[in-house]
Amino acid sequence: QVQLVQSGAEVKKPGSSVKVSCKASGGTFGTYAISWVRQAPGQGLAWMGGIIPMFGTTHYAQRFQGRVTITTDESKSTAYMELSSLRSDDTAVYYCVRDNSGHALDVWGQGTTVTVSS
Amino acid sequence: DIVMTQSPDSLAVSLGERATINCKSSQSVLHSSNNKNYLAWYQQQAGQPPKLLIYWASTRESGVPDRFSGSGSGTDFTLTISSLQAEDVAVYYCQQYYSSSYTFGQGTKLEIK
Repeated sequence: QVQLVQSGAEVKKPGSSVKVSCKASGGTFGTYAISWVRQAPGQGLAWMGGIIPMFGTTHYAQRFQGRVTITTDESKSTAYMELSSLRSDDTAVYYCVRDNSGHALDVWGQGTTVTVSS
Repeated sequence: DIVMTQSPDSLAVSLGERATINCKSSQSVLHSSNNKNYLAWYQQQAGQPPKLLIYWASTRESGVPDRFSGSGSGTDFTLTISSLQAEDVAVYYCQQYYSSSYTFGQGTKLEIK
């Protein structure tokens, strides 16, 4: 069974960047895509983008384009999501998720809280 | 982007009664190549990550109780809980994965009446 374990909570200043990691275990990393989804306090889910490690291809939601970078390190079975030019409204829980193609987003990490505050 | 609209925004149902949540997409999510609807449903309990309930619009994820069912095709979809249990209190989201930019509905909060 694939499990995704994310890095710990972060507190950042406006204008800075944050990089969240997501380590996979229990499966063959690289054979499935990874998506990142965020949830602002009291709000719904927003897909940010995804990566297919096997091909290194990425796709980002238009609203985050230019600020988000998703990468992987297959040697560490780890995916990363970096968000730059942070604003207070980037305060949210960030989830990494296995994107199992037709099987939708079937395995979720525990979430990483990112707080942006001066 | 494909816009997903859920109704209602909140719902209160008595224990043992049926709960129905609707989801409408701004364009069809039915793929002609395989005749599958790229529509999923998730349950998010308080303080937890979302959990996949249904994919392909009507295929129940392994381990999900059979009181949960999904139906619909094209642009109109429904999640039904046949007999509400206390542990079903949660926010439910639909999501399309037809386009390369996934989108979620705004969520429906389900409570006990």
